[in-house]
Amino acid sequence: DGGITQSPKYLFRKEGQNVTLSCEQNLNHDAMYWYRQDPGQGLRLIYYSQIVNDFQKGDIAEGYSVSREKKESFPLTVTSAQKNPTAFYLCASSVRSAEAFFGQGTRLTVV
Amino acid sequence: GIQVEQSPPDLILQEGANSTLRCNFSDSVNNLQWFHQNPWGQLINLFYIPSGTKQNGRLSATTVATERYSLLYISSSQTTDSGVYFCAGNSGGSNYKLTFGKGTLLTVNP
Repeated sequence: DGGITQSPKYLFRKEGQNVTLSCEQNLNHDAMYWYRQDPGQGLRLIYYSQIVNDFQKGDIAEGYSVSREKKESFPLTVTSAQKNPTAFYLCASSVRSAEAFFGQGTRLTVV
Repeated sequence: GIQVEQSPPDLILQEGANSTLRCNFSDSVNNLQWFHQNPWGQLINLFYIPSGTKQNGRLSATTVATERYSLLYISSSQTTDSGVYFCAGNSGGSNYKLTFGKGTLLTVNP
């Protein structure tokens, strides 16, 4: 089935560690996105990529990094520079700037 | 960038009641979506509705692009409709940034 797969579902990070969240899509979408959601809040854009080997900062990119080496994959690294990384992370993809579809999310907790 | 305002922030209904959720945009949008966030956090696509009216079962949506707002109607609400409803939009073309409102938390009581 076509869709967006995020892994892992739950992730625990120690202080000072970098962690990488995976996002893979088989919808042949050219654009991919990472959003962060805090409890009781809406979604805020971290990074997005319109094509392979290109990506743009969103509204809250500090402390995060991404890569887009393949059309299907858009991994997000939460670095130690991100001071408050505990949140729900959602990945999405779309055909150009049209309808976006989301993965099931990854819950990251700092321990 | 585009600002998105949703109202009401919270809504409590009895099962069987109807409701209207509203989404206002600060600027023109060419792409507009409504989502339902389920208890596990996944965003379920309800409508992709840049303009006009669409219906899907008990749910329908209307977007008036010239006046920069969209409405989501839920009729004969059920307890399974509970959750957070988000609208999101962008201006389309080369603008890929999908901006979300803060959502409406709907609680449907039996």
